[in-house]
Amino acid sequence: QKEVEQDPGPLSVPEGAIVSLNCTYSNSAFQYFMWYRQYSRKGPELLMYTYSSGNKEDGRFTAQVDKSSKYISLFIRDSQPSDSATYLCAMADNFNKFYFGSGTKLNVKP
Amino acid sequence: SAVISQKPSRDICQRGTSLTIQCQVDSQVTMMFWYRQQPGQSLTLIATANQGSEATYESGFVIDKFPISRPNLTFSTLTVSNMSPEDSSIYLCSVEIAGANEQYFGPGTRLTVT
Repeated sequence: QKEVEQDPGPLSVPEGAIVSLNCTYSNSAFQYFMWYRQYSRKGPELLMYTYSSGNKEDGRFTAQVDKSSKYISLFIRDSQPSDSATYLCAMADNFNKFYFGSGTKLNVKP
Repeated sequence: SAVISQKPSRDICQRGTSLTIQCQVDSQVTMMFWYRQQPGQSLTLIATANQGSEATYESGFVIDKFPISRPNLTFSTLTVSNMSPEDSSIYLCSVEIAGANEQYFGPGTRLTVT
């Protein structure tokens, strides 16, 4: 079993839709949770960072962590064509070891 | 955050040759990492490079194949040695901001081995 599971998609939505991206994990030692956005032919860009459980909002983006279910989500409101990218979830334990999902490819159609 | 640059951005190399990838950061960082990303795959950590010590390699990666240098707090190189087509991938360097548990990535080096 992989440490982090992420549906690869692709996920195709119309402009303005609410997008939900998810990851599950198996290691209860994970304390730090991140979402990265990666445009084609670019490096991953840190989008959201959350420590422990709860929600964090930044503009149109909301990151949610449910440690009891070992499940994290990223919600994108009012999605735009410029949001089209691959989204990677990432997690870290207290030893600074990072684990990445394989990425979900999102396409927002105008 | 940190601004990270990599050189070259892409290269096409012949089997059996070596390529050195450079990673430059705009601020001093303790921890730098090298990853490999193959199409549709997750990021795979090759090694952690801390200034002043030998790089620490992950299972499946060895120093003879992927020698790393870390001469100061803003720079590192990764060499892919004796390349084969299986080494075709994107190679990414990243840095961790001390105490922040966040990693920032460079733009990547797209390597094709023929």
